[in-house]
Amino acid sequence: DAGVIQSPRHEVTEMGQEVTLRCKPISGHDYLFWYRQTMMRGLELLIYFNNNVPIDDSGMPEDRFSAKMPNASFSTLKIQPSEPRDSAVYFCASRPVGTGSPEAFFGQGTRLTVV
Amino acid sequence: GNSVTQMEGPVTLSEEAFLTINCTYTATGYPSLFWYVQYPGEGLQLLLKATKADDKGSNKGFEATYRKETTSFHLEKGSVQVSDSAVYFCALSESGGYNKLIFGAGTRLAVHP
Repeated sequence: DAGVIQSPRHEVTEMGQEVTLRCKPISGHDYLFWYRQTMMRGLELLIYFNNNVPIDDSGMPEDRFSAKMPNASFSTLKIQPSEPRDSAVYFCASRPVGTGSPEAFFGQGTRLTVV
Repeated sequence: GNSVTQMEGPVTLSEEAFLTINCTYTATGYPSLFWYVQYPGEGLQLLLKATKADDKGSNKGFEATYRKETTSFHLEKGSVQVSDSAVYFCALSESGGYNKLIFGAGTRLAVHP
């Protein structure tokens, strides 16, 4: 398996524009997580899904953020409208269900810059 | 709620020095504990884990022991290398139900020749 695939790797956009980040989890993994990483706040969990259903979105900072998982192989994180303070690295991770607390596998991240 | 606290970085060491990065946690029940490592420009990858009290996780010369009595999971390595320079994250996975991962703030390690 190619691992968790995120696109794009880098995104530069102007304030007010809509941004969509994409994630393809590892096949067969039931959990999908979206994290945001900044110098100031570290690694924050935004939302996670189990079997395509959002379980906890309490980390989503504002209504400008939304996430979907229409099927087991694809998820999006959308910011509309984007603001400079949204600049960060966004990571997607997936994890199988199983005993022994299986690890989460991370994508390489999308570096978002809002100017 | 559940949380993870790590020692602040950066930690700067000379090659072959001994490394300790402290990690303590607050959790209900019996969480699993992890150390992840992030190399520059990359995502996080699992370094080691422990799923119950007194378990020792180990990998690539790194070790950490799950201490329930002190709610700690300190990372150690006897002799660091320049290639170990990275950011290290301690994390816990809540027990039962939907077990999301909660991360500490991360500790940057810089190893000099």
